[in-house]
Amino acid sequence: AQSVTQLDSQVPVFEEAPVELRCNYSSSVSVYLFWYVQYPNQGLQLLLKYLSGSTLVKGINGFEAEFNKSQTSFHLRKPSVHISDTAEYFCAVSEYNFNKFYFGSGTKLNVKP
Amino acid sequence: DVKVTQSSRYLVKRTGEKVFLECVQDMDHENMFWYRQDPGLGLRLIYFSYDVKMKEKGDIPEGYSVSREKKERFSLILESASTNQTSMYLCASSSPSGSSYEQYFGPGTRLTVT
Repeated sequence: AQSVTQLDSQVPVFEEAPVELRCNYSSSVSVYLFWYVQYPNQGLQLLLKYLSGSTLVKGINGFEAEFNKSQTSFHLRKPSVHISDTAEYFCAVSEYNFNKFYFGSGTKLNVKP
Repeated sequence: DVKVTQSSRYLVKRTGEKVFLECVQDMDHENMFWYRQDPGLGLRLIYFSYDVKMKEKGDIPEGYSVSREKKERFSLILESASTNQTSMYLCASSSPSGSSYEQYFGPGTRLTVT
């Protein structure tokens, strides 16, 4: 079975600073990779996804992520965060032959003024 | 835009009650999912369905059942609610034949069992 590890449960950062949220997965087969964001009391919203092709993926709100197959990682980055980026971020993995997703435990990003 | 709606945003039930959580999607998706979300545990899959009347257990199906009589609707049933089922419940849908291959989520139902 798949497992997804988000190494940091909470990440505090000052506004306009860069941030990286880490995600590692375990899989013996090829996968699809996703990052979702959840604002308070809301459902999950897709930030970006990697299906194939370029390993650097750009998403909404200035976020990007890089797929590293050898390190089985898919870290999320933003060069300059805003207060409005305060939310919980989830990494997810799906294998090619299923539509079943495996989610990490989430990382709470707290952007301080 | 894909829309996934859930019948209630907040729900308070008593221990032992039978609870129904409803989810409806408007994009003709084949797959539908129920997750529960608890702090520090992320999303855990309860059940999923890949077709009408078809269902499969997820990682934590105990104490839950599901029903999918129509393609657009997927119901989660707590047969006899217990306090350890207090949680946020999220419904999602997706299409394995679609090009985007992502899951679309509803706003969630925060269930409190007292």
